[in-house]
Amino acid sequence: AQKVTQAQTEISVVEKEDVTLDCVYETRDTTYYLFWYKQPPSGELVFLIRRNSFDEQNEISGRYSWNFQKSTSSFNFTITASQVVDSAVYFCALRSNQGGKLIFGQGTELSVKP
Amino acid sequence: DVKVTQSSRYLVKRTGEKVFLECVQDMDHENMFWYRQDPGLGLRLIYFSYDVKMKEKGDIPEGYSVSREKKERFSLILESASTNQTSMYLCASSSIQGPWPYEQYFGPGTRLTVT
Repeated sequence: AQKVTQAQTEISVVEKEDVTLDCVYETRDTTYYLFWYKQPPSGELVFLIRRNSFDEQNEISGRYSWNFQKSTSSFNFTITASQVVDSAVYFCALRSNQGGKLIFGQGTELSVKP
Repeated sequence: DVKVTQSSRYLVKRTGEKVFLECVQDMDHENMFWYRQDPGLGLRLIYFSYDVKMKEKGDIPEGYSVSREKKERFSLILESASTNQTSMYLCASSSIQGPWPYEQYFGPGTRLTVT
């Protein structure tokens, strides 16, 4: 069975703090994809990043960075120098290579206070 | 750009009413999906469709049905709305082709309240 766990339900930080959102996944597939989405208060899901199971390179995009570790089945997301506009619900998701179904984690609500 | 639209952003219905949520995509995608989002539960798949007139149950299909008469349109139907169906509903579509096959594109969501 496939499963994604985001153990942190809510995180509150003060602006300019660094924050890491955890994501742990379970799958028996050897080929799969991992995603992070951001959902601001407006409700629309915004795609942030995709990673396939063969690419364990960490990625940095501005203040965002992602740490993919197959050994621990984790795909963690770090925001450096957080800003109020980062306040949102963040979802981690898993998709196998067979078909298009996405399995989502429970989501982490990040609140960045000024 | 891929565009997925949903007929309403906010909807208020009464218990027992028949409710239609419409989703339209403009990229000729083969696959379409309906999710339900609840706090602490993430997004859960209700139904999906791989082609016109085809449908498959997701993880929580009870109380819902779907219709896909045209490739671009996927409707979610609540035959008799109940208060426990108050939720945010998100539609998505994906193609089996292209540089990122099966990549899902999401609509803006419909926040449904059943009173």
